Order: sequence, then C-alpha cells, then structure tokens
Amino acid sequence: EDKVVQSPLSLVVHEGDTVTLNCSYEVTNFRSLLWYKQEKKAPTFLFMLTSSGIEKKSGRLSSILDKKELSSILNITATQTGDSAIYLCAVFNAGGTSYGKLTFGQGTILTVHP
Amino acid sequence: SAVISQKPSRDICQRGTSLTIQCQVDSQVTMMFWYRQQPGQSLTLIATANQGSEATYESGFVIDKFPISRPNLTFSTLTVSNMSPEDSSIYLCSVLKGDLWGQFFGPGTRLTVL
Repeated sequence: EDKVVQSPLSLVVHEGDTVTLNCSYEVTNFRSLLWYKQEKKAPTFLFMLTSSGIEKKSGRLSSILDKKELSSILNITATQTGDSAIYLCAVFNAGGTSYGKLTFGQGTILTVHP
Repeated sequence: SAVISQKPSRDICQRGTSLTIQCQVDSQVTMMFWYRQQPGQSLTLIATANQGSEATYESGFVIDKFPISRPNLTFSTLTVSNMSPEDSSIYLCSVLKGDLWGQFFGPGTRLTVL
C-alpha cells in the first residue's frame, strides 16, 4: 500500500525564520511528488517534482526531490504570518488501476507568529 | 491549471438525508477525482469519476453510499447518501488535465451532518 509520511506534524516559528518540512514516501509506480498549501478548505498547488525536475523554486519557497532516499523537503525562508497553513505532500501513482491517485501525507501545521 | 467550481460551498444536513455536490471545470480534463477530508485528517481518495462509465471506488468506499456521475468531460457530481454525523467532512473534487502530472482542487464543500 502506498504511504506518505510528513514531519514534523506541527511547527511554530516567528516571522523571519526559515523552516524545512519533510516528506518521505513508499509508492508503486511513482510519477511525481506534489506539495500543497491548505489554509481553509481547498489545497493550493505549490510544486510538482518529477525525475526530470527534482528542484523547484518560487519566491521564498523551494523544494527538492531525492529519488534515491524517496523523500522531499519544502523550504520556506523569511517566513511571514501569511505562511501559516497546513502543508501537504502527496505522491502521484501512475500505475494501472491506481493511475492518477494521489496519496497524501498527514500534513504539517505551520504557525508563524509576528 | 484549471478553474474549478463546486456547489454548494457548505451545507448543514440532517441525519438520513442525502446531498449532491457538483463539480464544474472550465475546460475538458482527462480525469476527475473525489476526495474526503475528515476533521483533523488528511485527504483520502473516494473514487475516480469516469466519463461514460461507472466510477472506480477506493477500498472502504461503495457506490451505494457515494454514487458518482460524470456525464461529460467538464462536470461531475458526488452524492453522499443516508448521511450520518460521521460523514461530516470537507469534500473536494480534483482534476488531472492532459499530460500535467499533477492535480488541482476545487474550492471544496464543507458538510456538517447533525
């Protein structure tokens, strides 16, 4: 069974701090790893990492995929209160009847204090 | 990406009733999915909505409880039948568009069952 584990489960920091969120996975027919930010109801897409795109950056956020270690990290530098959210990691299964299925980790709750 | 809308945004329902949630996409998509997020939990895939055929359900989810329709490539519905308080969750539709190895989520439906 596909499995995704995130750590830490929660994190409290102050504005300006840098944080690193971790995601490890075990999945058959791996195609990509995705990071989402969830503030209210809907997860908002952040990054997608594949074998051909193992590092992504957007502003203060960046992410790296380590296919050898079956893991990924999401870095947020110079955190702001608006970064407070649940960060979800998911892996995309591209095999057979599971094609398209996203398996999610538990999420990391990030709280940024002023 | 894709612009996805869901209706209703939220609802409060009585035990034993049914609710149908609609998901509309602004363009044709390859695949549509329905997820559930119970309070304090991560997202779990309910089923893949197949155009012109029966949905493919994940383990633990059955058609009688969660009937799904997908009459065309831009629209799908999920019905939560004979509801109980345990069905109180956020229900999310997501889409996979073309060769993009990722998924985008609709705004979600927050369901409370009394």
